[in-house]
Formats: sequence, structure tokens, C-alpha cells
Amino acid sequence: QVTLRESGPALVKPTQTLTLTCTFSGFSLSTSGMCVSWIRQPPGKALEWLALIDWDDDKYYSTSLKTRLTISKDTSKNQVVLTMTNMDPVDTATYYCARMSLPEGAFDIWGQGTMVTVSS
Amino acid sequence: QSALTQPASVSGSPGQSITISCTGTSSDVGSYNLVSWYQQHPGKAPKLMIYEVSKRPSGVSNRFSGSKSGNTASLTISGLQAEDEADYYCCSYAGSSTGVFGGGTKLTVL
Repeated sequence: QVTLRESGPALVKPTQTLTLTCTFSGFSLSTSGMCVSWIRQPPGKALEWLALIDWDDDKYYSTSLKTRLTISKDTSKNQVVLTMTNMDPVDTATYYCARMSLPEGAFDIWGQGTMVTVSS
Repeated sequence: QSALTQPASVSGSPGQSITISCTGTSSDVGSYNLVSWYQQHPGKAPKLMIYEVSKRPSGVSNRFSGSKSGNTASLTISGLQAEDEADYYCCSYAGSSTGVFGGGTKLTVL
């Protein structure tokens, strides 16, 4: 059974750096075609794709946020980490990690999400 | 990466069919057959309903179907049921290993 679970702080202050961890099981991120993405959703708003890391450790970022994002993986721990710098109240959202397998190119399994509030 | 355009809301009665459109550009929807659709109930994580424009994952009802024409993809739900009431999002590959979501559509089953 494939599962993903997000963890991280529920509250961060403006200008701080957010670090989120996605811990997964049931698949290996070293298997060809496997990818993990981060996606966020502000309260009452739409989903927004943030970043993706693949089995070959290639990393891809949203054009609008790429200067603030870093994605990395620890294959031995089955974890993917996302950092977002210079947090602002508009970054308040539920952050999801999701698996993508190629060539299907869709997010087939999602974590439950973790709500992050940015406030002083 | 501008968000794909979806109607804010659609509605239908039980048993009817509805279609949700998802309009992109020649740089995303129009160029790739990598459009997917997600169902999201309140307070829940999204669930994959359609991938590669028209394929259904195992376990998804065949009442859900997808198609694409030019820069517009569509999700059709036939035989509407109360449990289909949810938000629906489309997503497309946008080149350079990036993705873009639609603005979401709220489906109300009357």
C-alpha cells in the first residue's frame, strides 16, 4: 500500500523559512519513473503545483516560486523535503505531497496535507 | 504558467450528465496528452479520477470520462450521484517538467 504523510510546523512567522517533510512508503524513489511533487492549496482556493523531484534526483520548480523553493530527497529514509524561504501571509495554505509515476504523469497518491499558517 | 480555466461551478440533478471544461493553451493542454482530473471533497485530499486525458485509474467509476479537443479538455460525469458533489480540478503538463492546475469547479448535485 502506497502512503505519503506531510509533516512540518503549523505556524511560521513572516520572512522565516518553511521546511516540510514528506515521508512515504510502498514505493521507492530510486525506481525509474517515480517522482514526488509538492502542491499547495490556500484556504478556499485552487491547487497550485510547486515542485517535483524524480528518481534521478532531477528537480523542477514552479516558475513563479523557483527562487524561493528547494526540493530534495533522502532515498534511504523515504523522505522528500521542501524548503520555502521568505514566507509571507499569502503562503498560508495546506501543503500536499503526492506521488507521480511516469509515463502516466498524474498524481496518483496524495498525502493528507498539512496546514501552514504564516502570521506574526 | 497561468492557471487553466475552468467554470467556477456546475450543477445537475441525480441521473443527469454534466461536463466540466478545462481550457489551456498550445503550451500545455494543446501540446500534451497529459491532462488529469482530480476530485476533492471538503477537508479531504484530492483523488485522481482521470489521467492521460481519458484513462481511468483502477477503482474509479466508469461514469467518469475525459476527452480533449485542441486546447480544451473536458470531464464528463454521467448518471450523477449525490456522492459526486465535490470540487474538481484539471491539471496539465506544461513542458520542462512543470505542471499547471485549473482554478477548480464546484459541482452541485441538486
